[in-house]
Amino acid sequence: QAVLTQPPSVSAAPGQKVTITCSGSSSNIGNNYVSWYQQLPGTAPKLLIYDNNKRPSGIPDRFSGSKSGTSGTLVITGLLTGDEADYYCGTWDSSLSAALFGGGTKVTVL
Amino acid sequence: QVQLQESGPGLVKPSQTLSLTCTVSGDSISSGGYFWSWLRQHSIKGLEWIGYIYHRGNTYFNPSLKSRLTISGDTSKNQFSLKLNSVTAADTALYYCARMTTVTEGLYFDYWGQGTLVTVSS
Repeated sequence: QAVLTQPPSVSAAPGQKVTITCSGSSSNIGNNYVSWYQQLPGTAPKLLIYDNNKRPSGIPDRFSGSKSGTSGTLVITGLLTGDEADYYCGTWDSSLSAALFGGGTKVTVL
Repeated sequence: QVQLQESGPGLVKPSQTLSLTCTVSGDSISSGGYFWSWLRQHSIKGLEWIGYIYHRGNTYFNPSLKSRLTISGDTSKNQFSLKLNSVTAADTALYYCARMTTVTEGLYFDYWGQGTLVTVSS
């Protein structure tokens, strides 16, 4: 069972917004930065957000991240059918001395 | 552009050693600030970090796998390798190599290989 908790799935219509939360603890998200990854079907994960809220070059501003306390949040606005994918949060856990990921959230565009 | 490519057997017998190699282009595994990592993904979602190698061959492993793990590097070929011994069916997964970066404030994986499926079965 993943130490970082994400909802298994979220859905919305094209053009709408989805919010994915990633809940952790003081040993991980509470004291470390959060990253987010998009995994399209049959492909490797791709970095979407790093350092809680920064986007790598080429990632549209429809994707945004934030962190508050022991939780991170990914928001996707203006949803496109091409956004259908699994989304994972990641961070470092200082107690486990290991990189951790959430269990993943499947985004469905209705 | 940094690219990583995994290679190795797709089928390993139980109790034997799983061996994979990652070939890196566009960056040097000797470069500072980066940790050359292995991760895996079991069939039911779930990404698991395995470990990494960094500057001058230092390694760091996931404590849950540490006793069975070896990660080594070959700077002349710009490759790094994973060996996981005493494998069981639970080690069946899609294995990725990736670059983990610490050049900004946090830790994150910015480049990934395409992944290679390893099945443990007799």
